[in-house]
Amino acid sequence: DQQVKQNSPSLSVQEGRISILNCDYTNSMFDYFLWYKKYPAEGPTFLISISSIKDKNEDGRFTVFLNKSAKHLSLHIVPSQPGDSAVYFCAASGDSGGSNYKLTFGKGTLLTVNP
Amino acid sequence: GAGVSQSPSNKVTEKGKDVELRCDPISGHTALYWYRQSLGQGLEFLIYFQGNSAPDKSGLPSDRFSAERTGGSVSTLTIQRTQQEDSAVYLCASSPALASSYNEQFFGPGTRLTVL
Repeated sequence: DQQVKQNSPSLSVQEGRISILNCDYTNSMFDYFLWYKKYPAEGPTFLISISSIKDKNEDGRFTVFLNKSAKHLSLHIVPSQPGDSAVYFCAASGDSGGSNYKLTFGKGTLLTVNP
Repeated sequence: GAGVSQSPSNKVTEKGKDVELRCDPISGHTALYWYRQSLGQGLEFLIYFQGNSAPDKSGLPSDRFSAERTGGSVSTLTIQRTQQEDSAVYLCASSPALASSYNEQFFGPGTRLTVL
């Protein structure tokens, strides 16, 4: 069973507009969430994270929102730029009896930002 | 370079052969992780090393998989008697000492393994 779900395999937006990437999780023990960005032939790079005690975290053009009651988080990128085109992975940790090192990843969403 | 490095970048092998994948973590990082990403899937946790503690091997899919970390730095993931379902990108990550509950992991570029 997939504990972290990214139901949209792909998303296409125009440059300058907002990109919204969604992620749902099923395990209520998760207490820390991360977004990673991956370009082809490269490893994922950390983008932004949020603790379950918060509902929003902002870093420049990137904002992550967490809705614990809905077990849903989203990544907003505004304004979107062509260089943002990549696969975005949602990840969660905190479900392993206090061992927070294991990250459980979604399958990723391919974002394409068109000039 | 200052990042996590992995070798080889690509490996093609025949079913039944053994393979070794290498990971050099970021200098000073005490935690090291292996993941794999099969086609169309997310990253799947395999194994975790932290300092001199016993590794967490709970993610290894079978006893054909093993990993070691020598001298608290370089790690090798070994797959014996490879099967076609082992074909995936194997990713290594490292992070600083787990001083807090949360950590961001720094990933290498991965090794793409193809088992024919």
